[in-house]
Amino acid sequence: GIQVEQSPPDLILQEGANSTLRCNFSDSVNNLQWFHQNPWGQLINLFYIPSGTKQNGRLSATTVATERYSLLYISSSQTTDSGVYFCAVTYSPAYGSWGKLQFGAGTQVVVTP
Amino acid sequence: DTEVTQTPKHLVMGMTNKKSLKCEQHMGHRAMYWYKQKAKKPPELMFVYSYEKLSINESVPSRFSPECPNSSLLNLHLHALQPEDSALYLCASSQATSGVSYEQYFGPGTRLTVT
Repeated sequence: GIQVEQSPPDLILQEGANSTLRCNFSDSVNNLQWFHQNPWGQLINLFYIPSGTKQNGRLSATTVATERYSLLYISSSQTTDSGVYFCAVTYSPAYGSWGKLQFGAGTQVVVTP
Repeated sequence: DTEVTQTPKHLVMGMTNKKSLKCEQHMGHRAMYWYKQKAKKPPELMFVYSYEKLSINESVPSRFSPECPNSSLLNLHLHALQPEDSALYLCASSQATSGVSYEQYFGPGTRLTVT
């Protein structure tokens, strides 16, 4: 199956700092999503970004599909940004499923006041 | 509205109990999913329903039994679970078009503890 690698595994930031999270994937994908999982377990959709660049407030993401990576930028971090950030890709395994979302291991982010 | 709801939020059950988890979406999505997430791990796919038919079963033990009564509802029936089945169970939905993948939206999850 497809491999999805996220880096770094852990990140500690002081409030107000900027950071970049990376997601590498081993094969062609149909789409790519970034999620934030808050401490209560809710997975919040951040970006649906199979290619190109998108921005939403202090967050932005870039996917370069031809080079098989995506980046998530957090600017002016706040304590509410703490949690786990997951990259997930959708691909078509051998049985032709279009719904197989493969997650990376995640990046644990802690923002300190 | 991009909301998927799940009930209950928390569930504690004994190994001989039978219980059900419920998931609902009103976005008109025709694909619905169950995921299992253990602590400090990413979600793992369990089942996929497409147009109310079971499309994928990721070799899940028969003590987990999914059901899709209609296009908005997804249930997961639990019976004779083991303590290692304790986890966060997440439901998701997406639009469904043959051969094309769409954005998945997740519910808040049910935190299950098996005693």
